[in-house]
Amino acid sequence: AQSVTQLDSQVPVFEEAPVELRCNYSSSVSVYLFWYVQYPNQGLQLLLKYLSGSTLVKGINGFEAEFNKSQTSFHLRKPSVHISDTAEYFCAVRARNKFYFGSGTKLNVKP
Amino acid sequence: KAGVTQTPRYLIKTRGQQVTLSCSPISGHRSVSWYQQTPGQGLQFLFEYFSETQRNKGNFPGRFSGRQFSNSRSEMNVSTLELGDSALYLCASSLELDKYGYTFGSGTRLTV
Repeated sequence: AQSVTQLDSQVPVFEEAPVELRCNYSSSVSVYLFWYVQYPNQGLQLLLKYLSGSTLVKGINGFEAEFNKSQTSFHLRKPSVHISDTAEYFCAVRARNKFYFGSGTKLNVKP
Repeated sequence: KAGVTQTPRYLIKTRGQQVTLSCSPISGHRSVSWYQQTPGQGLQFLFEYFSETQRNKGNFPGRFSGRQFSNSRSEMNVSTLELGDSALYLCASSLELDKYGYTFGSGTRLTV
């Protein structure tokens, strides 16, 4: 069975500091990996995706993620966050034609 | 290019009623999938349609159903509403099934 774990439900960070949001998955088959961001009362916006190739994936808004197959992780990073990055972030795995989402991490950027 | 459009944005229904939600995908997208988002259960996959055929289904009771039309627009129906059906229902579209990223709509907030 597939599952996605986001260990941190909330991450507080000061503006301009670096941040890492963790995501681990379990799957017995090949997967595609995604990170989405959700602002209040909005749908999900795709930040980045890993399909194949280079394990370091760059996305929108300065975010990047690294796929680590041995650790089954796909952590999201940003070297310097802005107030506008305050939102909820979801890691997702596509396996066997279904999407599995993590429980989300609320990023709270403080001035 | 217009995004994924979901209507209505908000719905208030009474237990036992039925409801139909609509989703218009991005032009050219042929895959539409539906998700239920609640504070307790998070995001859960409902079903996915491609070329008017249901391709995948999540673990929801038969009260939840959907369909896709020839223009790729999709509807989701929930019959005999229960209080626990209160949620944000999100629709997402993609060019094809599987590996492409999905574009989500803003959702329909259903309150039962």
